[in-house]
Amino acid sequence: EAQVTQNPRYLITVTGKKLTVTCSQNMNHEYMSWYRQDPGLGLRQIYYSMNVEVTDKGDVPEGYKVSRKEKRNFPLILESPSPNQTSLYFCASSDLLWTGTGELFFGEGSRLTVL
Amino acid sequence: GENVGLHLPTLSVQEGDNSIINCAYSNSASDYFIWYKQESGKGPQFIIDIRSNVGEKKDQRIAVTLNKTAKHFSLHITETQPEYSAVYFCAASIDQAGTALIFGKGTTLSVSS
Repeated sequence: EAQVTQNPRYLITVTGKKLTVTCSQNMNHEYMSWYRQDPGLGLRQIYYSMNVEVTDKGDVPEGYKVSRKEKRNFPLILESPSPNQTSLYFCASSDLLWTGTGELFFGEGSRLTVL
Repeated sequence: GENVGLHLPTLSVQEGDNSIINCAYSNSASDYFIWYKQESGKGPQFIIDIRSNVGEKKDQRIAVTLNKTAKHFSLHITETQPEYSAVYFCAASIDQAGTALIFGKGTTLSVSS
């Protein structure tokens, strides 16, 4: 089954404790992206990657890091989480428009609370 | 930069009505437009997309229309059913690859039977 898998789905942590949210896709997509969703703000892009070893900042990259060492994985790293990073996070992947539809496939989301 | 916004945060319709959700964008260079549906507790799901060289695209009960002059695009749902109740997000991209999508804030569609 084609899917994007995120882990953990739920996490409560404390300020400053490094954490990683993993994301894996099994569709051989080149493009992967992380979004955060906050009430009244919709979906905002954090980072994206157009291929292995290629990453770029989205609209709200501060406080986050990513890596793309393999095509299928795109982890989101919070080196020193703060309460304003409490949010619902989505990983997504797609073919690029010139190879496919550009349709983004989203994971189920990871709800992060930073105390 | 690009701003993408929905005209209404909520829309309530009766079962069987036609629904229209409108979305405005600011960057005239935007050339790829897409609609997503998000059900409670789930990630957004693709509904339909359209490129700037097309005015309308249909997929069964769903259609998207694009007005480049007015810089807005609309989602049309024919004979809306209760299972269409969800949050709908529009998004636009100036990127030929469809990356760096800018999302609107979402419209909550409520369908009552």
